[in-house]
Amino acid sequence: GAVVSQHPSWVICKSGTSVKIECRSLDFQATTMFWYRQFPKQSLMLMATSNEGSKATYEQGVEKDKFLINHASLTLSTLTVTSAHPEDSSFYICSANHFLTDTQYFGPGTRLTVL
Amino acid sequence: DAKTTQPPSMDCAEGRAANLPCNHSTISGNEYVYWYRQIHSQGPQYIIHGLKNNETNEMASLIITEDRKSSTLILPHATLRDTAVYYCIVREITGTASKLTFGTGTRLQVTL
Repeated sequence: GAVVSQHPSWVICKSGTSVKIECRSLDFQATTMFWYRQFPKQSLMLMATSNEGSKATYEQGVEKDKFLINHASLTLSTLTVTSAHPEDSSFYICSANHFLTDTQYFGPGTRLTVL
Repeated sequence: DAKTTQPPSMDCAEGRAANLPCNHSTISGNEYVYWYRQIHSQGPQYIIHGLKNNETNEMASLIITEDRKSSTLILPHATLRDTAVYYCIVREITGTASKLTFGTGTRLQVTL
């Protein structure tokens, strides 16, 4: 149990394009999901907190207009990187907070490469 | 900022117990200790968490000192697949889902 999926697992895109990443909790409901970013040889950095049916809360320094987050249901949150640039290349990881156990479970991550 | 301190790296022989320490001297009464691990190029995996009592599950044991200022994660019989970065995280429990702040963790290398 407590499985979180992400799609796609990797994506390569040209500079200036937008990329959407999906995060799904497969066997539990999650009113809150989180989006992290991890650069090589660094730890995970929280980007934003996503609550179902409301606007996301972004961490300081994260551009909300560049990283669009939608949490339309209790099992799905999406992150859209708009007008991606090479510096946005990173490993993006989501987590879903289990509604009953209040434990965060992580997806497998999405590796984004912007050329 | 992370509220925990962990050694940057540790080695452990396969089959032996791996004991990973964590200091969290400023922990508050409503904060739990969580442990996650991250195998290379994967998302973090939840291991265990506790408040003040020792905890055990199928993956590991968590020993928290009586003053709650430090804890130890124990993998009783380490295997090569346990090679990963282990994160000790203090998380406030507020009634709504609270965030996890990752530090630099301990890189555990299990060897033959």
